[in-house]
Amino acid sequence: QKEVEQNSGPLSVPEGAIASLNCTYSDRGSQSFFWYRQYSGKSPELIMSIYSNGDKEDGRFTAQLNKASQYVSLLIRDSQPSDSATYLCAVNPSGTYKYIFGTGTRLKVLA
Amino acid sequence: DAGVIQSPRHEVTEMGQEVTLRCKPISGHDYLFWYRQTMMRGLELLIYFNNNVPIDDSGMPEDRFSAKMPNASFSTLKIQPSEPRDSAVYFCASSPNRAGGYTFGSGTRLTVV
Repeated sequence: QKEVEQNSGPLSVPEGAIASLNCTYSDRGSQSFFWYRQYSGKSPELIMSIYSNGDKEDGRFTAQLNKASQYVSLLIRDSQPSDSATYLCAVNPSGTYKYIFGTGTRLKVLA
Repeated sequence: DAGVIQSPRHEVTEMGQEVTLRCKPISGHDYLFWYRQTMMRGLELLIYFNNNVPIDDSGMPEDRFSAKMPNASFSTLKIQPSEPRDSAVYFCASSPNRAGGYTFGSGTRLTVV
């Protein structure tokens, strides 16, 4: 089992819709969780962090964490074509200072 | 702040040659990470430093890879000798603490022919 798993996609949604991206992780003791956005040919960019169970909202983005079920998700409301990118989930396993990245979900927002 | 600065942006080299990648972290960031990204394996952590000290190098693929951080503002990743399977994008990232997210550099695209 991979440490951090994401569906590779592509996930296609129409403009204005809600995009839902999911991530599961294997280390039950993980404490910190991040979502990065990576445009083609560019470096990953941090868009959300979440540390406790529940929802965290920032503009059109909402991160959701459920430690009991070991998943973290990212919702993008009112999706725009400019949101088309690969979204990477990163997890900080317990007892370490490093982050493990999933392989990413490619999102395509159709105009 | 100029962000995390990596050089070169692109490197094409012949198999067997030595390659050196360079990184300047954001000032004040105590953690520095080297990642490699490929289509097949995604982002893989190679090594990270805390206050210039290597903490975890378990991701370094083999002895051909080495990394140093002689001071708080500079790190290198060296591959000697290089092989075609080393072709990837190499990212450097820095973080002010263990809880925050990283800031990535623009990456070095390495092609070994």
